[in-house]
Amino acid sequence: AQKITQTQPGMFVQEKEAVTLDCTYDTSDPSYGLFWYKQPSSGEMIFLIYQGSYDQQNATEGRYSLNFQKARKSANLVISASQLGDSAMYFCAMRERDTGNQFYFGTGTSLTVIP
Amino acid sequence: DAMVIQNPRYQVTQFGKPVTLSCSQTLNHNVMYWYQQKSSQAPKLLFHYYDKDFNNEADTPDNFQSRRPNTSFCFLDIRSPGLGDAAMYLCATSRGTSGGLETQYFGPGTRLLVL
Repeated sequence: AQKITQTQPGMFVQEKEAVTLDCTYDTSDPSYGLFWYKQPSSGEMIFLIYQGSYDQQNATEGRYSLNFQKARKSANLVISASQLGDSAMYFCAMRERDTGNQFYFGTGTSLTVIP
Repeated sequence: DAMVIQNPRYQVTQFGKPVTLSCSQTLNHNVMYWYQQKSSQAPKLLFHYYDKDFNNEADTPDNFQSRRPNTSFCFLDIRSPGLGDAAMYLCATSRGTSGGLETQYFGPGTRLLVL
């Protein structure tokens, strides 16, 4: 079974609008972390936001927020007030305490912001 | 304030000619990772080091080797590059504290072209 599933290969959003990128995960480890990374066309992977499995509140970092629904095993990324510079690939990833240093990545979502 | 540095950013090699990619970090992190990423795909973990302990992924070809002479540096050696090895190679680090779930920090990547 896939550890991380991203079902949206490509998304479009109008500039200044909000967009939600979906991510579901599969784990039996009660302790895990969920991450979102942005990868522009230049290739560098940029860390955006982190959510721990025991965190009571949804993580937020500026225009990024993570909609964490533990029972549904989903960790969707919400980008508010989209900007042209947000056009990139976005990867959801997970790390489990039991598997130590291993990170599991989804297949990514390509976001295009339309002026 | 570059934290994870990869050299070179672009590498062209000939079919079968050994090539070495380098990565250095100023974060003093315990863990260093090498990923291979092909176009429009998720990064694929090749191997990682926890300090000097080497962890090879089961499906990493023998053609790929790695060295970590000290905490700061890690090298990826491709002994006989084939056309299928053309990809982006990403180096990443994480703190690697026991039971920790910290993020990874990525370098800018090296794009490898095999002629």
